[in-house]
Amino acid sequence: DVKVTQSSRYLVKRTGEKVFLECVQDMDHENMFWYRQDPGLGLRLIYFSYDVKMKEKGDIPEGYSVSREKKERFSLILESASTNQTSMYLCASSLWGGMNTEAFFGQGTRLTVV
Amino acid sequence: GNSVTQMEGPVTLSEEAFLTINCTYTATGYPSLFWYVQYPGEGLQLLLKATKADDKGSNKGFEATYRKETTSFHLEKGSVQVSDSAVYFCALSDNTGNQFYFGTGTSLTVIP
Repeated sequence: DVKVTQSSRYLVKRTGEKVFLECVQDMDHENMFWYRQDPGLGLRLIYFSYDVKMKEKGDIPEGYSVSREKKERFSLILESASTNQTSMYLCASSLWGGMNTEAFFGQGTRLTVV
Repeated sequence: GNSVTQMEGPVTLSEEAFLTINCTYTATGYPSLFWYVQYPGEGLQLLLKATKADDKGSNKGFEATYRKETTSFHLEKGSVQVSDSAVYFCALSDNTGNQFYFGTGTSLTVIP
């Protein structure tokens, strides 16, 4: 069974902390994505990556960075957490150029910044 | 550009009622279309998909038909169950297959 695994289901962090959210996929997918999900706003793309060491900004990259050192792992970094980054974070992966294929999602990380 | 518009929620139905959640899209080229479902506290799971015009995707009693002439992909189920309570997202992939665009989600609650 294909899998996208996020390292934590729930996290509570303090304002100003550096926060790492980890995502691993076992499908040998080239594409990986980080979204945040907020009520009434749906999914908003933070960053994505098409290959190792490659990253592209999505719609809301401010306050975030990413790292992709290995094909299977894509990390989201909150450099200095703030309360407005309290949200549900979703990682996804897909085949590069997979015209008829879907994105596969992890179970989500609910982050609370206090 | 590419975008997805879906019916605002929340939707509340009685068990065994008929469900329709509307979804329309704007896209260049020939996108693939998807419906995802999200159960409370979980990530998104693919419910069904359609990859070309007039295709019908189906799964677990849910259906949606890719209508290019009306740029729509409405989700339907003939008889909903309490276990169908979830948030439903309509989505498309662009003509490279490398980007996905999601609607804002429709929350469905089914009451016994």
